[in-house]
Amino acid sequence: DQQVKQNSPSLSVQEGRISILNCDYTNSMFDYFLWYKKYPAEGPTFLISISSIKDKNEDGRFTVFLNKSAKHLSLHIVPSQPGDSAVYFCAARGSNDYKLSFGAGTTVTVRA
Amino acid sequence: EAGVAQSPRYKIIEKRQSVAFWCNPISGHATLYWYQQILGQGPKLLIQFQNNGVVDDSQLPKDRFSAERLKGVDSTLKIQPAKLEDSAVYLCASSLVPWGSSYNEQFFGPGTRLTVL
Repeated sequence: DQQVKQNSPSLSVQEGRISILNCDYTNSMFDYFLWYKKYPAEGPTFLISISSIKDKNEDGRFTVFLNKSAKHLSLHIVPSQPGDSAVYFCAARGSNDYKLSFGAGTTVTVRA
Repeated sequence: EAGVAQSPRYKIIEKRQSVAFWCNPISGHATLYWYQQILGQGPKLLIQFQNNGVVDDSQLPKDRFSAERLKGVDSTLKIQPAKLEDSAVYLCASSLVPWGSSYNEQFFGPGTRLTVL
C-alpha cells in the first residue's frame, strides 16, 4: 500500500517562476518528512526536511510546508532555475523508524 | 568525501539467470540500505544492515533475493533466478546512524539498472 503519494507525475514551469510540488501521506505515525532530488543516471540526493513539530522549513530557494491535520506537505522552489529540472521524491518516516516510505516522484521541467 | 559507489551501472540478463550487485558505502557509515526502484515508482526498501547484521529484510523476496554485508562495509545483493518483474534500478544508500535524528540522512549511490529479458 502506498503511504506517501505524489499525485502529479510532472510539472512544467517557466524559469524565474515558483514551482510547487505536493505530497500527501496516510500514516499518522509519520513525523519526519524529506524531499529528495534525482537527476538522470544518479541516485537521489537529500534536499530538505521538516519535523512534525514545525509547519515550515526554509533553505535558500527551497521551502517545505507541512499541514499535519491535512496530512499534506508541499515543496516550493522560488525562483525556479533550469538546474532544478529533475525528479523530486517526497519521503516520510516515523520517529523511531528507520524505514523511509517514498512517493512515486514528480518530474519538474524548468523552461527557459 | 567519496560517495556511495555501486557497480555495475547497467546489467542486462535473461530470465532465470543470476546477477549480483556490489555497493561500497561512505566510509564510517554503519547503516546500509538496498532499495528497488521500479520505473514510475519511488524507491522501496529491500533490506537494511546495521554494521554486518540485518535490521529489516521484511520486503526482500527471500526465495530469490539474498544480500550480505561482510565485515560491515561492502555489500552485495544477489538475484537468483531473475524474473521479468525484477527489472528495476537497484539503489544502495548509507547513513551514519540508523534513525532518531536528522543525522540519519541517507546518501544514495547512482544505482544499477537491471533489465531482465
